[in-house]
Amino acid sequence: DVKVTQSSRYLVKRTGEKVFLECVQDMDHENMFWYRQDPGLGLRLIYFSYDVKMKEKGDIPEGYSVSREKKERFSLILESASTNQTSMYLCASRSGFSSNQPQHFGDGTRLSIL
Amino acid sequence: QKEVEQDPGPLSVPEGAIVSLNCTYSNSAFQYFMWYRQYSRKGPELLMYTYSSGNKEDGRFTAQVDKSSKYISLFIRDSQPSDSATYLCAMSDNYGQNFVFGPGTRLSVLP
Repeated sequence: DVKVTQSSRYLVKRTGEKVFLECVQDMDHENMFWYRQDPGLGLRLIYFSYDVKMKEKGDIPEGYSVSREKKERFSLILESASTNQTSMYLCASRSGFSSNQPQHFGDGTRLSIL
Repeated sequence: QKEVEQDPGPLSVPEGAIVSLNCTYSNSAFQYFMWYRQYSRKGPELLMYTYSSGNKEDGRFTAQVDKSSKYISLFIRDSQPSDSATYLCAMSDNYGQNFVFGPGTRLSVLP
């Protein structure tokens, strides 16, 4: 079974802090994704990565950056956290470089910015 | 028009009922179709993965795709309280360049 692990289930930070969300997958998947999920808005793609050191902007990249130094690890960075970034953050991975395979998700990090 | 539409619910049914969850889409390039189940405070988990038109069955779950109508369905037979969750449809083109999720339908199965 695919295992996608997000480092924190719940996180509370203050406005202006730099926040790191970590995600690790154990299936040697090429593709990794970061989403945020908000009530009434569904899943929105922030960034994705096709391979190590590669990244592409999703639909809502503003205020975020990412890092993929190793194939199994994809980090989401909030450069200067703001209250409108309070959300559920979901990491996903998928096999194949350009692939129609389904994405597999972690259990999410519920982030609160005070 | 949104790329994928899904009735947000909530949908409440009695235990044992047959449940029908539906999505419509507008992009004819979508060829691969998925259903995810998401329990409260958890990530989405893959339930069904199908290609093109037709039916696929897995236990109490049946996924149905009608590409001519751009309409997909998930049927749950003999629904159980443990089926209470949000169900998201998702679809992809051949190369995964366009991968879209529906907003999800919240289902409650009452004992």
